[in-house]
Amino acid sequence: SQTIHQWPATLVQPVGSPLSLECTVEGTSNPNLYWYRQAAGRGLQLLFYSVGIGQISSEVPQNLSASRPQDRQFILSSKKLLLSDSGFYLCAWSLRTGTGQYFGPGTRLTVT
Amino acid sequence: QKEVEQNSGPLSVPEGAIASLNCTYSDRGSQSFFWYRQYSGKSPELIMFIYSNGDKEDGRFTAQLNKASQYVSLLIRDSQPSDSATYLCAVRTGGGNKLTFGTGTQLKVEL
Repeated sequence: SQTIHQWPATLVQPVGSPLSLECTVEGTSNPNLYWYRQAAGRGLQLLFYSVGIGQISSEVPQNLSASRPQDRQFILSSKKLLLSDSGFYLCAWSLRTGTGQYFGPGTRLTVT
Repeated sequence: QKEVEQNSGPLSVPEGAIASLNCTYSDRGSQSFFWYRQYSGKSPELIMFIYSNGDKEDGRFTAQLNKASQYVSLLIRDSQPSDSATYLCAVRTGGGNKLTFGTGTQLKVEL
């Protein structure tokens, strides 16, 4: 069966500091991968998605970036965090045929 | 603009009753529809998907789709306190695998 991991689970970072969140998927090959952010009391906002190694599509212009160095690894980064970057960051995967997306446990980021 | 709309609730139902959660979408080209359950502080969990008009049943859950009315719903029979959560509706349009999510409906099942 497929499993998706995210770490860290929680993170408190000062404004202006860098960020690196990692997501890995087990039990499947060539998945589509997604990064979402969920701000308090708001819906899921798609940030990035990837259909293969090195292929990243950005949905929302911002100070975040994403990379996919390996087939089942997806990384979300920032060089300088803003207060508005606080939120619940979720990684998800899907099959290429798109039968639905499956979410990891998430990282709760607080920027102070 | 592609949108998915849900009543934010909270929707309160007594234990054992049927909970009805509704979702409308604006893009007539939408092809696939998903329901996720999200407990407070946790990540969303896929519970149902439906592609064709009509009903699809899975245990206590029934998804209903009406493409002409651009309406999808989720019925939960014999509601339990453990069903208390936020339910997110998601829609996939066209050949891509991206989903557009509604903001969710909070369901409270009361003893």
